[in-house]
Amino acid sequence: DAGVTQSPTHLIKTRGQQVTLRCSPKSGHDTVSWYQQALGQGPQFIFQYYEEEERQRGNFPDRFSGHQFPNYSSELNVNALLLGDSALYLCASRGSSRGLIVPYEQYFGPGTRLTVT
Amino acid sequence: GQSLEQPSEVTAVEGAIVQINCTYQTSGFYGLSWYQQHDGGAPTFLSYNALDGLEETGRFSSFLSRSDSYGYLLLQELQMKDSASYFCAVEGNTPLVFGKGTRLSVIA
Repeated sequence: DAGVTQSPTHLIKTRGQQVTLRCSPKSGHDTVSWYQQALGQGPQFIFQYYEEEERQRGNFPDRFSGHQFPNYSSELNVNALLLGDSALYLCASRGSSRGLIVPYEQYFGPGTRLTVT
Repeated sequence: GQSLEQPSEVTAVEGAIVQINCTYQTSGFYGLSWYQQHDGGAPTFLSYNALDGLEETGRFSSFLSRSDSYGYLLLQELQMKDSASYFCAVEGNTPLVFGKGTRLSVIA
């Protein structure tokens, strides 16, 4: 059973560019969340997708946007990259029961290390 | 808003017991989770407490007091491989708000 997968593993971009990160959830999971983790900090919640809709959003600007596809995979897009966007971007998935998201045990992918120069 | 406080660093001897505390402030509370993250790795789930009391999973135990907005992670029989960062995370009105993490160093 494949866990959460993310691509690419590493990425280097220039300020002002745009980036798309991809995530495939663990088999059987339908809810995907994205987190940004700066060095030495805890992951910070960006947004969560369920049934192809953004269900909740953290305190991130509109430059951060996402999408969920019918197969539950997800993309994170960041426009107009800033140096401060350099971080590890983590995708996490969990299941739901009758439309209620199971409130525990998220499975994290290995992350995409984004460097903005 | 939501915030969590946990010690930034803890050092303990191999074979010993260590407790990592976490206090939280949250709007809406479903439960407190603990995650382990090795350098360069992804966070992995350790435990979840929704109700007051102690949950035990092998060498790891986690405790929650909802009235005190406090929890802790207890690691017993420490091994060198337990050296990692440990995060408490609150499930409230926002999915999983993480603390800044506690870096545990296990020494021989």
